[in-house]
Amino acid sequence: AQTVTQSQPEMSVQEAETVTLSCTYDTSESDYYLFWYKQPPSRQMILVIRQEAYKQQNATENRFSVNFQKAAKSFSLKISDSQLGDAAMYFCAYKNPPGATNKLIFGTGTLLAVQP
Amino acid sequence: GAVVSQHPSRVICKSGTSVKIECRSLDFQATTMFWYRQFPKQSLMLMATSNEGSKATYEQGVEKDKFLINHASLTLSTLTVTSAHPEDSSFYICSAARGTSYEQYFGPGTRLTVT
Repeated sequence: AQTVTQSQPEMSVQEAETVTLSCTYDTSESDYYLFWYKQPPSRQMILVIRQEAYKQQNATENRFSVNFQKAAKSFSLKISDSQLGDAAMYFCAYKNPPGATNKLIFGTGTLLAVQP
Repeated sequence: GAVVSQHPSRVICKSGTSVKIECRSLDFQATTMFWYRQFPKQSLMLMATSNEGSKATYEQGVEKDKFLINHASLTLSTLTVTSAHPEDSSFYICSAARGTSYEQYFGPGTRLTVT
């Protein structure tokens, strides 16, 4: 069965600095999807960024980028120029390719604090 | 686009009663909807997956007779917690996916408190 591991329960970063959140996963599939979701205090889940496993290029969305290492099964999230609004719980998630189950498998989350 | 709503946003009910939570996709047809449960400071735990017009698929350990899921249309799924007890108090989140899309769109969640 697929698993997702986030080894950092909590992280802290100074405003305007850069922080990297770690995520590793386990799967026997060669094609799959990886996601980072943000859950602010409102508890609304917000998609931050996604990566298709067949793409070698790392995904980027403005200040958010990933370091996808397929062989190592690692999928870290880098937040550049951190802002106070980035403070939230961040979840890494895995999904099998289309045709297989649609469900997401979440990691345990990393609580990010942003210090002014 | 791709907005999912949940109603109610919070509900308090007495032990032994049943409570229904609605999940609606407002601007798209959701062929699949998912129900999650989240305890404080924990991750989302998938309870069940429902496809429109068919029975829900429950995750291991989730009581299907206690958590009734109905997905009667392409825009509405409901979760009914039957004979609720204080240990059912939690945050319930739904999400919806269209077709074979890999993306799930999440509702804002419902906080259930059973007294």
